[in-house]
Amino acid sequence: NAGVMQNPRHLVRRRGQEARLRCSPMKGHSHVYWYRQLPEEGLKFMVYLQKENIIDESGMPKERFSAEFPKEGPSILRIQQVVRGDSAAYFCASSTNTGSSSGNTIYFGEGSWLTVV
Amino acid sequence: SQQGEEDPQALSIQEGENATMNCSYKTSINNLQWYRQNSGRGLVHLILIRSNEREKHSGRLRVTLDTSKKSSSLLITASRAADTASYFCATDAETSGSRLTFGEGTQLTVNP
Repeated sequence: NAGVMQNPRHLVRRRGQEARLRCSPMKGHSHVYWYRQLPEEGLKFMVYLQKENIIDESGMPKERFSAEFPKEGPSILRIQQVVRGDSAAYFCASSTNTGSSSGNTIYFGEGSWLTVV
Repeated sequence: SQQGEEDPQALSIQEGENATMNCSYKTSINNLQWYRQNSGRGLVHLILIRSNEREKHSGRLRVTLDTSKKSSSLLITASRAADTASYFCATDAETSGSRLTFGEGTQLTVNP
């Protein structure tokens, strides 16, 4: 049973370019979360999605950032016109239908490290 | 201070010793989870403890939860060099849906 799969693991973008990060949840999981981790800090929630629905995007910057979880295929976190401050590790996580509030574990991927030069 | 704050920020011990890390939080929670992160890697889930539980064990790990003090502790017994990592607590607040709030982590170094 493969875990949460993220790609790419490392991505380098020049300022102004777009970054696309992909996440395939664990088999049987329909809840996907994206978190961002700046160097030497904890993870900060960005967005929570279910298939074809954004449930909570309260942690997502209002501009340049978007996320989707289509009916088919992986979840995508898209960052347009990247700036140096976007350099961070972006982690995807997934959980079962009922989510963590019912005591279900949230499993994390290995992360995508974005460097903006 | 933030929801889910770990204490201490850094801990250095010798192999074989026990390591205790603490976590404090501010709001009522559904559950609290502890994760480990090795440098440059993802988070590995260690233990989930629900708000109606006071203690859980998993191998060399022991987690306690005191909801009256809004605090949790993670104890690693008989530590090994391979336990060197950052440890994070994450709370699932009653009002936050399924969103986890992480602390800044405790960096544990176990010296051989």
